[in-house]
Amino acid sequence: DQQVKQNSPSLSVQEGRISILNCDYTNSMFDYFLWYKKYPAEGPTFLISISSIKDKNEDGRFTVFLNKSAKHLSLHIVPSQPGDSAVYFCAASQWDGNKLVFGAGTILRVKS
Amino acid sequence: NAGVTQTPKFRVLKTGQSMTLLCAQDMNHEYMYWYRQDPGMGLRLIHYSVGEGTTAKGEVPDGYNVSRLKKQNFLLGLESAAPSQTSVYFCASSYPTHSYNEQFFGPGTRLTVL
Repeated sequence: DQQVKQNSPSLSVQEGRISILNCDYTNSMFDYFLWYKKYPAEGPTFLISISSIKDKNEDGRFTVFLNKSAKHLSLHIVPSQPGDSAVYFCAASQWDGNKLVFGAGTILRVKS
Repeated sequence: NAGVTQTPKFRVLKTGQSMTLLCAQDMNHEYMYWYRQDPGMGLRLIHYSVGEGTTAKGEVPDGYNVSRLKKQNFLLGLESAAPSQTSVYFCASSYPTHSYNEQFFGPGTRLTVL
């Protein structure tokens, strides 16, 4: 039973447009949500996070939105750039924070 | 700072062979983790450690053992490899905090068990 789900295996977007990556979760005990980015042959790198007490967090071109009632979060990338092409993982943790539960990932392709 | 490093990068084993994957971090992090990544499954936690001399089971611990004899190192062992253990293995580390858990990942080890 996957507690964190990324239902879109892949997404293709034109350069300069918005990329929206979605993530759903089932465990209402999750307090923190993170997005990681992964290039081929490299480890995941932290991108942005959000606490469950917030509904939005912004960092440059990246914004994460959290809808607790729907148990849904999304990552918006505006404007999308070819260098954003990677696999994006959604992850969640409970208050003690020492274990992350990851989604299956979404492959983002930004076309120039 | 090298961050998190993993040895080896690639390995091919035959069924029944054993091996040890080494993870090292130079960030003085207390917590360390081993994950495996399989297609369509994301990253799944195998074992983790919250400090030197401690280990704990994650989501998929069967067939693996770990040791954390030194704070900077976390070893993952396969005593008798099986084809189901073919995967990419990632080590990660983090500093304990009551807020979000940003983990720093190594580059991964691609293991094939024939």
